[in-house]
Amino acid sequence: QKEVEQNSGPLSVPEGAIASLNCTYSDRGSQSFFWYRQYSGKSPELIMSIYSNGDKEDGRFTAQLNKASQYVSLLIRDSQPSDSATYLCAVRGNSGGSNYKLTFGKGTLLTVNP
Amino acid sequence: EAGVTQSPTHLIKTRGQQATLRCSPISGHTSVYWYQQALGLGLQFLLWYDEGEERNRGNFPPRFSGRQFPNYSSELNVNALELEDSALYLCASNPLAGYTGELFFGEGSRLTVL
Repeated sequence: QKEVEQNSGPLSVPEGAIASLNCTYSDRGSQSFFWYRQYSGKSPELIMSIYSNGDKEDGRFTAQLNKASQYVSLLIRDSQPSDSATYLCAVRGNSGGSNYKLTFGKGTLLTVNP
Repeated sequence: EAGVTQSPTHLIKTRGQQATLRCSPISGHTSVYWYQQALGLGLQFLLWYDEGEERNRGNFPPRFSGRQFPNYSSELNVNALELEDSALYLCASNPLAGYTGELFFGEGSRLTVL
């Protein structure tokens, strides 16, 4: 059973701080990694994708991937109250039928306090 | 461009009944994925359809079934409803069948089983 683990939170940070969200995965052959944001009562939306080791930056968001440690993280700089949401880590497998679906973690609830 | 659309938005059924949920993907997308999001369980993969065929299914009993029509829209059927089937059912589509993890989600259908 391929698994994606996240701390459920809630993670609470003050406005302007850096929020750090973490995720581990069990399928060592996984190749594609994603962060989705889900506001309460809304559907998930993709905010970051990362495919190779290292950092990938997009505005205030930085995704970090370490395949050796099977670890992926998301940093949100200068956190804003509008960033308050559940952040879902998703992994696409690389073996057989599992290659064609995303496995999601349960999500981390982030609250940014004004 | 219209996004992924799902209907109905809300559905209330009683135990033992059948529920049918519908999804229209983004124009040009051939792959449709169904996920169940139950409270505390995160997003669980249900089914993947592409070009009218079921390509993969998650660890759900056979009473969860579906199909994809020639226009790529899809239908999810849940037979013999149980209380634990109460959840948000999310449909997503993908522009390149099986080759990316970027899923575009609809707003979901909330099923309540009484």
